[in-house]
Amino acid sequence: SQQGEEDPQALSIQEGENATMNCSYKTSINNLQWYRQNSGRGLVHLILIRSNEREKHSGRLRVTLDTSKKSSSLLITASRAADTASYFCATPVYNFNKFYFGSGTKLNVKP
Amino acid sequence: DGGITQSPKYLFRKEGQNVTLSCEQNLNHDAMYWYRQDPGQGLRLIYYSQIVNDFQKGDIAEGYSVSREKKESFPLTVTSAQKNPTAFYLCASDKTGGSSGDQPQHFGDGTRLSIL
Repeated sequence: SQQGEEDPQALSIQEGENATMNCSYKTSINNLQWYRQNSGRGLVHLILIRSNEREKHSGRLRVTLDTSKKSSSLLITASRAADTASYFCATPVYNFNKFYFGSGTKLNVKP
Repeated sequence: DGGITQSPKYLFRKEGQNVTLSCEQNLNHDAMYWYRQDPGQGLRLIYYSQIVNDFQKGDIAEGYSVSREKKESFPLTVTSAQKNPTAFYLCASDKTGGSSGDQPQHFGDGTRLSIL
């Protein structure tokens, strides 16, 4: 079964607002990754957070990880229209050296 | 610049036809992956390969086949046995070297396959 599942499925905000999306997973992990996908394009890696980290920042991105709740969140601050995309979390499946991707959160930032 | 190139961008398949999607990378990555993405959905793993001449089935391998004769190339064939092939296909690669899952995946820009 799938590991990571994002919530909400869709999010619409005004430019300048913050956007928060969540990811829940089922089994223990050593790290979790977030990706972004513009419409009709491939995924682009945004950030990786390890299990011994609770929070990580990269520019306007802030990722948190709560291993006790098996959840992660991605916060985009001061959103821009160019942030409009789908965002996915990915969790590793260690025995098979592969990843599970969730179904994604579709973010629409209105100018 | 290094990256992953998928071709063609759009592909149409007739009934009973096999079609092959190309994926080439110049990142010197050992591992390569094929994913299928249906509208509004996440990615589902079709096949993956950690080394030349070796590959493993993913979650939805039925109706698909792959080869890995060169490190740079991982073509995917959608066979006539795949009854619902209409989807967006994404190829990815990473350095791998173990099962830590701490290597970011690099993706191509996809091939959109439709049925004629």
